[in-house]
Amino acid sequence: QKEVEQNSGPLSVPEGAIASLNCTYSDRVSQSFFWYRQYSGKSPELIMSIYSNGDKEDGRFTAQLNKASQYVSLLIRDSQPSDSATYLCAVDTGGTSYGKLTFGQGTILTVHP
Amino acid sequence: EAGVTQFPSHSVIEKGQTVTLRCDPISGHDNLYWYRRVMGKEIKFLLHFVKESKQDESGMPNNRFLAERTGGTYSTLKVQPAELEDSGVYFCASSQDYGTLYGYTFGSGTRLTVV
Repeated sequence: QKEVEQNSGPLSVPEGAIASLNCTYSDRVSQSFFWYRQYSGKSPELIMSIYSNGDKEDGRFTAQLNKASQYVSLLIRDSQPSDSATYLCAVDTGGTSYGKLTFGQGTILTVHP
Repeated sequence: EAGVTQFPSHSVIEKGQTVTLRCDPISGHDNLYWYRRVMGKEIKFLLHFVKESKQDESGMPNNRFLAERTGGTYSTLKVQPAELEDSGVYFCASSQDYGTLYGYTFGSGTRLTVV
């Protein structure tokens, strides 16, 4: 079992729809959770971080965390073609490995006009 | 504020040669990380510097890889001798705080191709 797993995708949604990206993780001591967006050939860019159970909203983005189910998701409302990218889920287990992120394989999102 | 700078952006070398990648973190960031993404795989942690000290090098694949951060500023990652499986994109990231409380800032990466 991979430490961080994302829905394999690719995910294709029409412009204006809600895109839902999912991620599960295996290490129960994980403390911090991140979503990065990566355009082709570019560096990963942090778009959301979440540390507590529940929802966290930032503009069109909502991150949801459920530590009991070891599940974190990212919702993108009113999806735009410019949201088309690879979305990476990353987890920090903290402890002695502070700062070490474990990434999922990424989900490719395509928003079509 | 200048971002994390990596160079070269691309490097093509022959198997057995040596390559040195460089990363300049954001000024004042004590924490510097190296990650690697090989084709078809997820981004994987290589090591973490706090200033000039190696905090965690558990992800370094083998002793062909040597990372340094002299004076706690820029860092280099040397691969010697390079093997075909070392091909991939090497990312550097930096953060001001200890840990990832506010996330990292990644550089644009060095694409290494070993032929």
